[in-house]
Amino acid sequence: QQPVQSPQAVILREGEDAVINCSSSKALYSVHWYRQKHGEAPVFLMILLKGGEQKGHEKISASFNEKKQQSSLYLTASQLSYSGTYFCGTEGSSNTGKLIFGQGTTLQVKP
Amino acid sequence: NAGVTQTPKFQVLKTGQSMTLQCAQDMNHNSMYWYRQDPGMGLRLIYYSASEGTTDKGEVPNGYNVSRLNKREFSLRLESAAPSQTSVYFCAATRMAGSSYEQYFGPGTRLTVT
Repeated sequence: QQPVQSPQAVILREGEDAVINCSSSKALYSVHWYRQKHGEAPVFLMILLKGGEQKGHEKISASFNEKKQQSSLYLTASQLSYSGTYFCGTEGSSNTGKLIFGQGTTLQVKP
Repeated sequence: NAGVTQTPKFQVLKTGQSMTLQCAQDMNHNSMYWYRQDPGMGLRLIYYSASEGTTDKGEVPNGYNVSRLNKREFSLRLESAAPSQTSVYFCAATRMAGSSYEQYFGPGTRLTVT
């Protein structure tokens, strides 16, 4: 079952914050987050495991609510370089990397 | 250190033709994956290999075969290409060790089947 991402698209000014959500109808073992710029390969951002804590680095962090089967990606004080499409990938069982990806959230950061 | 490389970068096939997409990694990662990405969509897993000598089906394996030739190389074969296989194909290599996780993607192969 494909996870559902919201919003589908968001436009920000530099310095503003954004939250991207990823919801699944199934119990989750892990959630992975990626950013992809147009015409390029996806770039892995972070993984959140069942039983794990909120993770992140610099101004991009994420949380994982196992009970709600949801994850959220937080982008703080956005920069122009944050523009791209963000995907979550979810895994329902052990950590094999067999992910089901959401449809993506397009983020545009304007000066 | 090239990371993950894929060949070719672009390919046009006629319906019914066959081809093999090549992927190689120099990071000594155990797991490798093949994904396809259709325009405006997320990635879909075709096949994956948790370690040398093992392969397993992903979400959309029909029409594809794979070979994990050694730890470095993981190839994807289309035996009889169909227009529905027009897509961008990404290979990825992953290392999982406890809570440590690294994943790198190749630059992609853009395949058009006419």
